[in-house]
Amino acid sequence: EPEVTQTPSHQVTQMGQEVILRCVPISNHLYFYWYRQILGQKVEFLVSFYNNEISEKSEIFDDQFSVERPDGSNFTLKIRSTKLEDSAMYFCASSQRWAGHGYTFGSGTRLTVV
Amino acid sequence: DAKTTQPNSMESNEEEPVHLPCNHSTISGTDYIHWYRQLPSQGPEYVIHGLTSNVNNRMASLAIAEDRKSSTLILHRATLRDAAVYYCIPAYSGAGSYQLTFGKGTKLSVIP
Repeated sequence: EPEVTQTPSHQVTQMGQEVILRCVPISNHLYFYWYRQILGQKVEFLVSFYNNEISEKSEIFDDQFSVERPDGSNFTLKIRSTKLEDSAMYFCASSQRWAGHGYTFGSGTRLTVV
Repeated sequence: DAKTTQPNSMESNEEEPVHLPCNHSTISGTDYIHWYRQLPSQGPEYVIHGLTSNVNNRMASLAIAEDRKSSTLILHRATLRDAAVYYCIPAYSGAGSYQLTFGKGTKLSVIP
């Protein structure tokens, strides 16, 4: 069964450093997403991406965050200057379309900011 | 966004059917009803979705009330691997809004 692949599985970074989280969505999917989950809390939407541009973003997705699809397979989330409160699990997801199709999530990257 | 209400937790014995309810009384006519689950330390996993008719797949069945204000996810024979948090999520089908809004879900425990 096709999978969404995320790397690394765990990343530790110092406060103020830049991090890039990487995702390989399912190849025939058109919509890409990033979500995050702080330990013990709900899964929160960050951003959706379609046709090489951001479709929708949440209040969490401020100027410190950016997304990119640098080639035909990868989808990345960059945090420019990490804060302690950015520590969370970050999940990438993809779908063929929204709503009428299921979303496939990756297994996540655990980001720890120290 | 449509608001959902799910029990905080449920228990089931292994190999018995489980019915997980969800109320979504403010759902709009074009919202799909999605169900996802999250096993411990893993990402959310798609289970099933539907619009008006009941749906079946290899994982589960989804029963949608005629007025669409509630739905029930049915696991026909619970296994230990089904222990997870189950989320019921109305998903807007119109253009421009693609996010899934996760609530707290129902934590399902399966007793051997």
